[in-house]
Amino acid sequence: EVQLVETGGGLIQPGGSLRLSCEVSGFSVSANYMSWVRQAPGKGPEWVSVIYSGTTTYYAESVKGRFTISRDNSKNTLHLQMNSLRVEDTAVYYCARGPYSGGWYGLDLWGQGTLVTVSS
Amino acid sequence: EIVMTQSPATLSLSPGERATLSCRVSQSVSSNLAWYQQKPGQAPRLLMYGASTRATGIPARFSGSGSGTDFTLTISSLQSEDFAVYYCQLYNNWPLTFGGGTKVEIK
Repeated sequence: EVQLVETGGGLIQPGGSLRLSCEVSGFSVSANYMSWVRQAPGKGPEWVSVIYSGTTTYYAESVKGRFTISRDNSKNTLHLQMNSLRVEDTAVYYCARGPYSGGWYGLDLWGQGTLVTVSS
Repeated sequence: EIVMTQSPATLSLSPGERATLSCRVSQSVSSNLAWYQQKPGQAPRLLMYGASTRATGIPARFSGSGSGTDFTLTISSLQSEDFAVYYCQLYNNWPLTFGGGTKVEIK
């Protein structure tokens, strides 16, 4: 069964750090582009980051220099290390497969999301 | 920076009616455009990719069209489960960009 399960969200103070994980089953994270997308309360989705071809990564300008995407191929898991968190980083964070997975198919599989709340 | 504008913001229709959702891009792009459906409390779900190809398991009442700067998602006959928010997204370059969404609500 194909599944993406995010963990690691929670309440954190501004300036703090969190590490999100996305455990994948049913396909290999190393063989696909893997993205993080977030959605602030009442807003539309915002793409955050992508990793592919082992070490190639891209980030949204809003998180560049603060967030780091990585993957553990042995555990088939995607991570997002989030440092220097701001109130405006408050959102549900989703991991998703894509936009390339054997073809340019968009973000075709999503996890259920994990909520990150940045507040003092 | 590419800007994606979806219209209308809200579409009030009755079951069985046809829904036409628009996504306009600020500059001409390739066909790497996707549409997603999102219901409250759920992750977005891929409906269309390549502007006009239905994703796996998506019913035939959903269709996509367009090229260049203007793209359309059409739902031929709204079913109760189709009332949701719809987003377009470009995935031809980084950063990936989402439109602001169209909410399809029951009239």
